[in-house]
Amino acid sequence: ETGVTQSPTHLIKTRGQQVTLRCSSQSGHNTVSWYQQALGQGPQFIFQYYREEENGRGNFPPRFSGLQFPNYSSELNVNALELDDSALYLCASSLEVAGGSETQYFGPGTRLLVL
Amino acid sequence: DAKTTQPNSMESNEEEPVHLPCNHSTISGTDYIHWYRQLPSQGPEYVIHGLTSNVNNRMASLAIAEDRKSSTLILHRATLRDAAVYYCILRLYSGGGADGLTFGKGTHLIIQP
Repeated sequence: ETGVTQSPTHLIKTRGQQVTLRCSSQSGHNTVSWYQQALGQGPQFIFQYYREEENGRGNFPPRFSGLQFPNYSSELNVNALELDDSALYLCASSLEVAGGSETQYFGPGTRLLVL
Repeated sequence: DAKTTQPNSMESNEEEPVHLPCNHSTISGTDYIHWYRQLPSQGPEYVIHGLTSNVNNRMASLAIAEDRKSSTLILHRATLRDAAVYYCILRLYSGGGADGLTFGKGTHLIIQP
């Protein structure tokens, strides 16, 4: 069983640029969630994709967008990068189940630095 | 999701049991209690979850108070590899996963050799 993988591991961009981060789900999982983790803080929920549709979103502006593909892999796109976007971006996959017992499996993250 | 309160940090000795507390006084009857941990330079890792009854798995045990307003994650025999930030999270039963996990600051567990 392959776990959640993310690419790239590290990335440096300049303010105003655009970035795309990628995530491959764990085998058999149909749901992908993305989180942003600033240094010294807990992860913050960005959004979730289920069957290629966004089905939940945290308090993040529209310049954070995503895609989920038929194989359940996913992308996170961030436009017009700001310095505060520097963070660890985490992807988590899960098997959507009714109720609150869903378990999420996290990848190692992509470290983004915006200069 | 309802709010949880955890100590900022705890320290324990290797090979001793560790009890990590979590208060969730506003928990609703349908909230699940989840625990995740994050080792240094890694993504969070699922540990355990429960609703009303105590739960055991290969990693840990979860003890849930009778009134469900608090819970305790128990590591039976801590090793240096258990040094991590531990997050206690409530998940609404009827809400599914569309609102994501709400992480607080968690408890930074330090294990002394």
